[in-house]
Amino acid sequence: AQKITQTQPGMFVQEKEAVTLDCTYDTSDPSYGLFWYKQPSSGEMIFLIYQGSYDQQNATEGRYSLNFQKARKSANLVISASQLGDSAMYFCAMREITGNQFYFGTGTSLTVIP
Amino acid sequence: DTAVSQTPKYLVTQMGNDKSIKCEQNLGHDTMYWYKQDSKKFLKIMFSYNNKELIINETVPNRFSPKSPDKAHLNLHINSLELGDSAVYFCASSQGPAGETDTQYFGPGTRLTVL
Repeated sequence: AQKITQTQPGMFVQEKEAVTLDCTYDTSDPSYGLFWYKQPSSGEMIFLIYQGSYDQQNATEGRYSLNFQKARKSANLVISASQLGDSAMYFCAMREITGNQFYFGTGTSLTVIP
Repeated sequence: DTAVSQTPKYLVTQMGNDKSIKCEQNLGHDTMYWYKQDSKKFLKIMFSYNNKELIINETVPNRFSPKSPDKAHLNLHINSLELGDSAVYFCASSQGPAGETDTQYFGPGTRLTVL
């Protein structure tokens, strides 16, 4: 089974609107971390936000927030007030407390329309 | 200051050649990784070192050999390059040891093109 699933290969959003990028995960570990990365067209991978499985509150970093629903095993990224510079690939990732692996999803390509 | 750096950024070479990609991190991290990103943007872990010790060795051709001279450096050597090796190779580092909060930070990537 896939550890991380991103079902939206491509998304479009109007500038200044909010957008949600979906991510579901699969683990039986009691403790795990969820991460989102941004990859703009220039190619670098930029760490955006982290959510721990035991965190009581949803993580926020500026315009990024993580909608964490543990029972549903989902960790959706919400970008508020989209900007043209948000156009990029976005990757969801998970790290379990056991093992050394970092599992990545297949990514979602976000295009912000002026 | 660049946290994770890779050289070269672009590498164009002929089939059959041997090439190396270098990676250095100045974050004081104990763990370093090599990933391959294919044309469909899929990221695949190749290797991971913790304090110069190999801890992840995924199924990659043995033409690929990592080398970690110290915990701040992880180089990737590729022998007998093939067309299918064309990809972007990312180096990353994390504090380590493994744990759910261990965030990875990536280098800028090396775009390898094999002709």
